[in-house]
Amino acid sequence: GQSLEQPSEVTAVEGAIVQINCTYQTSGFYGLSWYQQHDGGAPTFLSYNALDGLEETGRFSSFLSRSDSYGYLLLQELQMKDSASYFCAVRDGTGGFKTIFGAGTRLFVKA
Amino acid sequence: KAGVTQTPRYLIKTRGQQVTLSCSPISGHRSVSWYQQTPGQGLQFLFEYFSETQRNKGNFPGRFSGRQFSNSRSEMNVSTLELGDSALYLCASSLEQGEGREQFFGPGTRLTVL
Repeated sequence: GQSLEQPSEVTAVEGAIVQINCTYQTSGFYGLSWYQQHDGGAPTFLSYNALDGLEETGRFSSFLSRSDSYGYLLLQELQMKDSASYFCAVRDGTGGFKTIFGAGTRLFVKA
Repeated sequence: KAGVTQTPRYLIKTRGQQVTLSCSPISGHRSVSWYQQTPGQGLQFLFEYFSETQRNKGNFPGRFSGRQFSNSRSEMNVSTLELGDSALYLCASSLEQGEGREQFFGPGTRLTVL
């Protein structure tokens, strides 16, 4: 089957840098995505990594190591509005395509 | 471009009833996925459809079913509702199947089973 592990909660201060890790197990890996979800809102796409390395989009960066089945989301210059849940998700091709989400990491940004 | 729409937004049902939820994807998107979200459980994969064909199904009982129409709109049905089916049901659309880099989510349907 497929499984993803990510921390349940992370707390950081405004202006700091925070890293949210994600490890996964799957046999039909295509890529790793990250989504942000504010309370009461829908998940919104942040980034996608299909190949090893770092992808940067503004204050957010995402990293993937396929050999280690590991990725992370890096958030820089944290702002209060970054307080949300962050989900890693694996695109898996086993038995037909599907996207499997982790349980999510709740990020609290303090002043 | 209009986003993904889901109807209804809120629904209250009683145990044993059935429910049908609807999802209209972004115009031009042919792939639709459904997820169940409960507190602390993340998003649990239900189904993925592409061009009216179910491409994959998650580990849910047969009471959960779905379909996709020729205009890419999708519906999911839950029969014989149980208390544990109370959740936010999210629909997401993407342009193509395959690698599926980015999914666009609708606002969800909040189902409460009493």
